[in-house]
Amino acid sequence: EVQLVQSGAEVKKPGESLRISCQGSGYSFTTYHINWVRQMPGKGLEWMGRIHPGDSSTNYSPSFQGHVTFSADQSIRTAYLHWSSLQASDTAMYYCATNPGEDVWGQGTTVTVSS
Amino acid sequence: QSVLSQPPSVSGTPGQRVTISCSGSNSNIGSNNLNWFQQLPGTAPKLLIENNNQRPSGVPDRFSGSRSATSASLAISGLQSEDEADYYCAAWDDSLNGLVFGGGTKLTVL
Repeated sequence: EVQLVQSGAEVKKPGESLRISCQGSGYSFTTYHINWVRQMPGKGLEWMGRIHPGDSSTNYSPSFQGHVTFSADQSIRTAYLHWSSLQASDTAMYYCATNPGEDVWGQGTTVTVSS
Repeated sequence: QSVLSQPPSVSGTPGQRVTISCSGSNSNIGSNNLNWFQQLPGTAPKLLIENNNQRPSGVPDRFSGSRSATSASLAISGLQSEDEADYYCAAWDDSLNGLVFGGGTKLTVL
C-alpha cells in the first residue's frame, strides 16, 4: 500500500524553529516529487512547493520562498518541511502529497503558533 | 485571491445534478491538465478527477470533469448527502512555475 505518514501535531511559540516530517512507503520514494500544501484554519488549499527526493531539487511557491525549507533523507524515505522562525500566521494544517501513479496524501500535521 | 476562480458555494437536493466551475488563464488551464479534489470535513483532500476528465480508480461515475479553453467544470449527478464537501480545482501554472489551486467551493446537499 502506498502511504505517506506525517509527524504529529505541534504547538510552538513565535520565533521558534520547527521541522515536520512525511515518511513514504510502498513506492519508489526517490522517483516522485513530494508536494507540500498549506491549509489555514477555515481556508483553502495552497501549494507551498515540492521536493524531488532523488536529487533534493526544489520548487518553491513565491508566497513561501524564503520562509520555509524543504529537505529529504532518502535513507529513511522521509521528507521534511522546516521553519527557522515561526510566525503566528504559520498556524495551519500542512499536508504532504505525492503521485506515484496514484494520488496519495499524508494525514496532515497541525501546527499551532501562539505566544 | 486565488489564481483559479471558483464559486464559493453551490447547493443541491439529493438526486439533483450540480456543476462547479473553475476559471483560469492560458498559463494554467489553457496549457496544462486540470485536477479536481474533494475534501470531506476533517480529512485530507482526495483526487476526484485527473487530467481534466479522468476518474481515478474507485471514484463513482457520478463525478465527471470537462475543460474548454481556460475554464473547466466538475459535474456531480445523482447528488448524495455524502457528497457534501469542499471541492478544489488545481493546475500547473507555467508563468508561476508552480501548482495553483482554486479557492474552493463548498457543496451543500439540502
